Amino acid sequence: GAVVSQHPSWVICKSGTSVKIECRSLDFQATTMFWYRQFPKQSLMLMATSNEGSKATYEQGVEKDKFLINHASLTLSTLTVTSAHPEDSSFYICSARDYRLDRNEKLFFGSGTQLSVL
Amino acid sequence: DAKTTQPPSMDCAEGRAANLPCNHSTISGNEYVYWYRQIHSQGPQYIIHGLKNNETNEMASLIITEDRKSSTLILPHATLRDTAVYYCIVRKAAGNKLTFGGGTRVLVKP
Repeated sequence: GAVVSQHPSWVICKSGTSVKIECRSLDFQATTMFWYRQFPKQSLMLMATSNEGSKATYEQGVEKDKFLINHASLTLSTLTVTSAHPEDSSFYICSARDYRLDRNEKLFFGSGTQLSVL
Repeated sequence: DAKTTQPPSMDCAEGRAANLPCNHSTISGNEYVYWYRQIHSQGPQYIIHGLKNNETNEMASLIITEDRKSSTLILPHATLRDTAVYYCIVRKAAGNKLTFGGGTRVLVKP
């Protein structure tokens, strides 16, 4: 299956700092990438949808100025958590959709990034 | 996308078949049934999907009722590594986001 690489796998930062998470599609081009957040013992919650070369679409209640998403190429999307606070501590997961018509029925997920804000 | 209902948890014995039910009574004609699983602290993994017909791959089988209002994921010979949260998701054809519900927490016991 297709590979989506997410980096870093875990990060610890001080309150008030910014953290960048990368999501790369390694063996396919992804026209669309999705960013999810997951709190302990809860399900995945979609945060935003990013399309290559255009602005991301954020779900209701997600602050676009706090969670900056950039999808500058067909293989890379980044999520930057700005001015992180302890309540932003969570498991962040990206997923990518293959642009090819015969493969885009599935979404492929990265391995996730555990963010801990002190 | 239509909502799904799954039991919150279930246990199954190692080596036996695991049958995971899912109700999606409001599914519409162009919506597919997808199954993903998430092993602890990892990203979700695609298992299988289908529209009307039953499907089988190397991981599992998907049985969809004739009225499409429910489905069952079958893991033919469960192993300890199959312990995970299994998500049943209904989604329109290609390109759409996946909306995750609560899933079923499956514990495979020796």
